[in-house]
Amino acid sequence: AQTVTQSQPEMSVQEAETVTLSCTYDTSESDYYLFWYKQPPSRQMILVIRQEAYKQQNATENRFSVNFQKAAKSFSLKISDSQLGDAAMYFCAYRSHLNYGGATNKLIFGTGTLLAVQP
Amino acid sequence: DVKVTQSSRYLVKRTGEKVFLECVQDMDHENMFWYRQDPGLGLRLIYFSYDVKMKEKGDIPEGYSVSREKKERFSLILESASTNQTSMYLCASSHRQGHCANTEAFFGQGTRLTVV
Repeated sequence: AQTVTQSQPEMSVQEAETVTLSCTYDTSESDYYLFWYKQPPSRQMILVIRQEAYKQQNATENRFSVNFQKAAKSFSLKISDSQLGDAAMYFCAYRSHLNYGGATNKLIFGTGTLLAVQP
Repeated sequence: DVKVTQSSRYLVKRTGEKVFLECVQDMDHENMFWYRQDPGLGLRLIYFSYDVKMKEKGDIPEGYSVSREKKERFSLILESASTNQTSMYLCASSHRQGHCANTEAFFGQGTRLTVV
């Protein structure tokens, strides 16, 4: 079974600085998707960035980028020029690319990292 | 604007009550999920459904059941609520793999359930 591990329960960053959130996962599959979701205090979970495992190029969305190391099964999120609005809980998630129905449709989450942004 | 709507943001129920949490999505998604979120434990999957009337147990199904009679609606049922079911409940939906690549899950705003 696949697992997702976030080893940093809490992180803090100064406004305008850069922070990296860590995520590792375990899977025997070769084709899958990885996601970072953000959950602000309003509780609405929103997608930050996604990565397809078959793509070697790291995904980037404005100030957010990932460092995807497939062999190491590592998927870290870098937030550049941190803003007060980035303060939230961040979840790393895994999803299989297989389409056999049932369990292959599951979205598996880590335990989250609470990011504080200091003014 | 895509939307996943959960019927309540806050609920307070008594021990032993039967509780229904409703979730509706307007994106014609095949998959729907119910997660439970607790501090330090992340999101744990309770049940999910990949089609109408189809359901699969997640990691923590004990004490819960689900119903999916229509594609847009996925209900979570606590047959006899207990205090250890006090938690945040999140509903999500997505297209099934193969429908389109790179499909993400969309979430409702969550229901904070307190069982007293």
